[in-house]
Amino acid sequence: DAGITQSPRHKVTETGTPVTLRCHQTENHRYMYWYRQDPGHGLRLIHYSYGVKDTDKGEVSDGYSVSRSKTEDFLLTLESATSSQTSVYFCAIALAGGSGELFFGEGSRLTVL
Amino acid sequence: SQQGEEDPQALSIQEGENATMNCSYKTSINNLQWYRQNSGRGLVHLILIRSNEREKHSGRLRVTLDTSKKSSSLLITASRAADTASYFCATDLNRDDKIIFGKGTRLHILP
Repeated sequence: DAGITQSPRHKVTETGTPVTLRCHQTENHRYMYWYRQDPGHGLRLIHYSYGVKDTDKGEVSDGYSVSRSKTEDFLLTLESATSSQTSVYFCAIALAGGSGELFFGEGSRLTVL
Repeated sequence: SQQGEEDPQALSIQEGENATMNCSYKTSINNLQWYRQNSGRGLVHLILIRSNEREKHSGRLRVTLDTSKKSSSLLITASRAADTASYFCATDLNRDDKIIFGKGTRLHILP
């Protein structure tokens, strides 16, 4: 079974500080995604990756960067967190290639004060 | 703007009734997916329907796809209290690997 671990699960930080969220998968799925979920907006795609060092922007990528130096880890970085980035962040892996079924992590709740 | 839009935004029905949710999208797609989210949890995949399919079933779920109208519907038959959740449609944008979600439909099953 596919497994995803997101860390940290909860974080409170202050405006202007850098934050990195980690998504770790236990298998070797090529595609990984980062979404944010906010009331009234559903899920919005931030960035996704289609392989090691291969990433692309999503719908709401401003203020976020990502890195994928190895297959199992996909990092989301907020270089200088703002209150508008307070959200729940979900990582997902595509089980059968791009545009296919996604398996989601449990989410990381980030609060920026 | 988002690719998929679900309708209605919220739906309350009695247990045992059928629930129907709709999704409209804007671009060409390879496939359309439906997901469920229980409060505070990650999303769970329900069903995927390909652009060359018109209808698909999985247990109490029935999904239809009309590519000419760029719309899909999710029917849950004989609803149960455990079906209370938010339901989202998701599509690949312009047949790309970007998977874009709608804002979801909140379904509440009344006892």
